[in-house]
Amino acid sequence: QKEVEQNSGPLSVPEGAIASLNCTYSDRGSQSFFWYRQYSGKSPELIMSIYSNGDKEDGRFTAQLNKASQYVSLLIRDSQPSDSATYLCAVSTGFQKLVFGTGTRLLVSP
Amino acid sequence: SQTIHQWPATLVQPVGSPLSLECTVEGTSNPNLYWYRQAAGRGLQLLFYSVGIGQISSEVPQNLSASRPQDRQFILSSKKLLLSDSGFYLCAWSVPGKNIQYFGAGTRLSVL
Repeated sequence: QKEVEQNSGPLSVPEGAIASLNCTYSDRGSQSFFWYRQYSGKSPELIMSIYSNGDKEDGRFTAQLNKASQYVSLLIRDSQPSDSATYLCAVSTGFQKLVFGTGTRLLVSP
Repeated sequence: SQTIHQWPATLVQPVGSPLSLECTVEGTSNPNLYWYRQAAGRGLQLLFYSVGIGQISSEVPQNLSASRPQDRQFILSSKKLLLSDSGFYLCAWSVPGKNIQYFGAGTRLSVL
């Protein structure tokens, strides 16, 4: 069973702080990694993708991948109340399918 | 640009009634299509995926079925709903060979 693990949270951070979200995966052969944001009652939307070891930055978001440790993270700088949502980590299994973690709920307080 | 439509947005159905949820994609050809269910407070569970017309792969044995009668149309069905079928049903698509999936707005199903 290929698994993706996330801490369910909630992770509470004050406005302006850095939020750090973490994800571990079990399939060492995974090649593609994604972060989705899901607001309450809404569908997931893609915010970041990462395919190689290291960091990838996009605005206030930075995805970090360490394949040796089977670990992927998402940093959100200058967190805003509008960032409050559940963040889903997804990992490709091959065969054009993704396995999703159960998500980490982020709360950003003004 | 590509868009994905999913309807209805909400649905309340009695136990034992049939179900039909529809998903269509515009602006792309031969997409991979996916049906997920998200139970309250739970992760996304892949139910079915399709790489072409009439090609359906089932991930989880249950009383649901899926069909793809046209290239960009994906239908989720049930003959008799169970209480446990309640949840948030999401359709998604991807470009063949690519892993990024894009989601529709979802259907919130309540079986009473």
